[in-house]
Amino acid sequence: DTGVSQDPRHKITKRGQNVTFRCDPISEHNRLYWYRQTLGQGPEFLTYFQNEAQLEKSRLLSDRFSAERPKGSFSTLEIQRTEQGDSAMYLCASSLQTDTGYGYTFGSGTRLTVV
Amino acid sequence: EDQVTQSPEALRLQEGESSSLNCSYTVSGLRGLFWYRQDPGKGPEFLFTLYSAGEEKEKERLKATLTKKESFLHITAPKPEDSATYLCAVQERGGTASKLTFGTGTRLQVTL
Repeated sequence: DTGVSQDPRHKITKRGQNVTFRCDPISEHNRLYWYRQTLGQGPEFLTYFQNEAQLEKSRLLSDRFSAERPKGSFSTLEIQRTEQGDSAMYLCASSLQTDTGYGYTFGSGTRLTVV
Repeated sequence: EDQVTQSPEALRLQEGESSSLNCSYTVSGLRGLFWYRQDPGKGPEFLFTLYSAGEEKEKERLKATLTKKESFLHITAPKPEDSATYLCAVQERGGTASKLTFGTGTRLQVTL
């Protein structure tokens, strides 16, 4: 297992286009999280899944954002009608439900630039 | 709402010059306080979890401590490879509160 994988690493898109990011968590982890990080800020929580169920969504997650985890394995985050304010690093993380004290394992992120 | 404030925003140290980073937090019930290291262009890397006041954890040149209102990350005799942004985060106890609330981080630069 090579950790949490995110694809693509970088994405440049024109305003108004739709984009989709993929996250492959550590295989035995049943919890998966999406965070957004802008320059000079800490990561901000967007949403999380336990297995295939989406259990919590931040109010930051407008109706242009949708996340899925269809079979409790990989997850996708789609942004529709992108805006310049969506430019950020989108981070995925995973963890085990039981509290191991090891926090989350983050991926390297997808950097989105909306032009 | 949970709040995390980190200071200083940036810190420049010479190799071997020890210092401490501060993380002040407000949370209704603390489940855990986390420290992460983040290198440019990468995701945060887990360092420590602290659960209760008085707890301490160490890893190489780093030691994290926790009180009821703040946590410190002590860096002893740092090396240039310790240069990174150090993030503090809190996890609230109860409910579906699995999320972490992060501070804005301290950018550490260690020079020769």
